[in-house]
Amino acid sequence: DIQMTQSPSSLSASVGDRVTITCRASQSISTYLNWYQQRPGKVPELLIYAASGLQSGVPSRFSGSGAGTDFTLTISSLQPEDFATYYCQQSYSSPLTFGGGTKVEIK
Amino acid sequence: QLQLQESGPGLVKPSETLSLTCTVSGGSISSTGYYWGWIRQPPGKGLEWIGSIYYSGGTDNNPSLKSRVTTSVDTSKNQVSLKLRSVTAADTAVYYCARHFRSGIVGATRFHAFDIWGQGTRVTVSS
Repeated sequence: DIQMTQSPSSLSASVGDRVTITCRASQSISTYLNWYQQRPGKVPELLIYAASGLQSGVPSRFSGSGAGTDFTLTISSLQPEDFATYYCQQSYSSPLTFGGGTKVEIK
Repeated sequence: QLQLQESGPGLVKPSETLSLTCTVSGGSISSTGYYWGWIRQPPGKGLEWIGSIYYSGGTDNNPSLKSRVTTSVDTSKNQVSLKLRSVTAADTAVYYCARHFRSGIVGATRFHAFDIWGQGTRVTVSS
């Protein structure tokens, strides 16, 4: 199985801050890496697909980058509605696996 | 637009079988290339992929649960179903169904992101 490791597991930030979350795969997954946002008590929503593709309807302050084993999700200017938990997920091979999540909290 | 809705008992006794259904509306479950996946989330924890099924019945399941999982599809009802046998308290979770695409040639296919999710259904395993 491909292990997905996110860091940090949590962070505190202020509105307007630039936030970066990293995800590392235990082996190369090309760009088969997806990012989801889950607000408290809500359903996960797709933000970024194939490492850098912005899902329709997602604000442009979200961006993704990386290939191989190392990936990054960046929020350029944190907004109040962005306080949530973010998960990466590899779709390169079965079993599909998720990272442990990064909780973004208000500072 | 396409919507997914999970349904099933909210309480299951230990050692029994958990049975859930995901009904797809606003589109066809038989859309070429699209798989219908099950993902679960224990309380306060992360996401775990259970398995996915194609409208033709082809499946791909997580080996960690494989021996206990059965997925099926009913194209006439636009539904997919999940059965998880011999449940324990560790199976307590919110269960989601979600759509994802699979592309490529035989022997070199890749799944894509889960782009549409159901609202989820909470299942508690308890006597």
